[in-house]
Amino acid sequence: DAGITQSPRHKVTETGTPVTLRCHQTENHRYMYWYRQDPGHGLRLIHYSYGVKDTDKGEVSDGYSVSRSKTEDFLLTLESATSSQTSVYFCAISESRLRSSYEQYFGPGTRLTVT
Amino acid sequence: TQLLEQSPQFLSIQEGENLTVYCNSSSVFSSLQWYRQEPGEGPVLLVTVVTGGEVKKLKRLTFQFGDARKDSSLHITAAQPGDTGLYLCAGARGSARQLTFGSGTQLTVLP
Repeated sequence: DAGITQSPRHKVTETGTPVTLRCHQTENHRYMYWYRQDPGHGLRLIHYSYGVKDTDKGEVSDGYSVSRSKTEDFLLTLESATSSQTSVYFCAISESRLRSSYEQYFGPGTRLTVT
Repeated sequence: TQLLEQSPQFLSIQEGENLTVYCNSSSVFSSLQWYRQEPGEGPVLLVTVVTGGEVKKLKRLTFQFGDARKDSSLHITAAQPGDTGLYLCAGARGSARQLTFGSGTQLTVLP
């Protein structure tokens, strides 16, 4: 199993509060991703990173920001949480040196509830 | 608009039966992957197919990539309760490092 951890695993927060989710990897993979998973929508990409301090937006980036100051850590911040951001959030990593470099390995997820 | 359409969305079968799950798109993908996800866990990669017409087998699971690289199928022979889970296909396009995921097929295999 790829060494990916997410923290916290569960969080309940109130509307309007800031929330930060952390993804930590021990694989030294270059690429890291944040997804949200909602019923009927599969996995949707929020933001991704292709190196330290290099990030880009995915298809559902509004209301989210990310930071990557070290190879091993990728942080997802909800600046002001809303009920529509209640979801399960997954972090994934990918290795760029292999031909099949699109393969992604996922963390265990964080269940976030915004009340 | 879902770029990758999976069907069926839900499937409940008896142990021992065969089944096929489909992943279709109007877009061409450079590679396509299948993942399985169990409740409370992240998706786990099953296979990657890259070449049009490619067939890969993983024990009782057979994966096929369409000749035009726009669609894929997953066939399970003699399904077992341990096959129960959410099956997700994901396509990569061009040089982008992003994957587009289908909405998934929830499979339940009853003993």
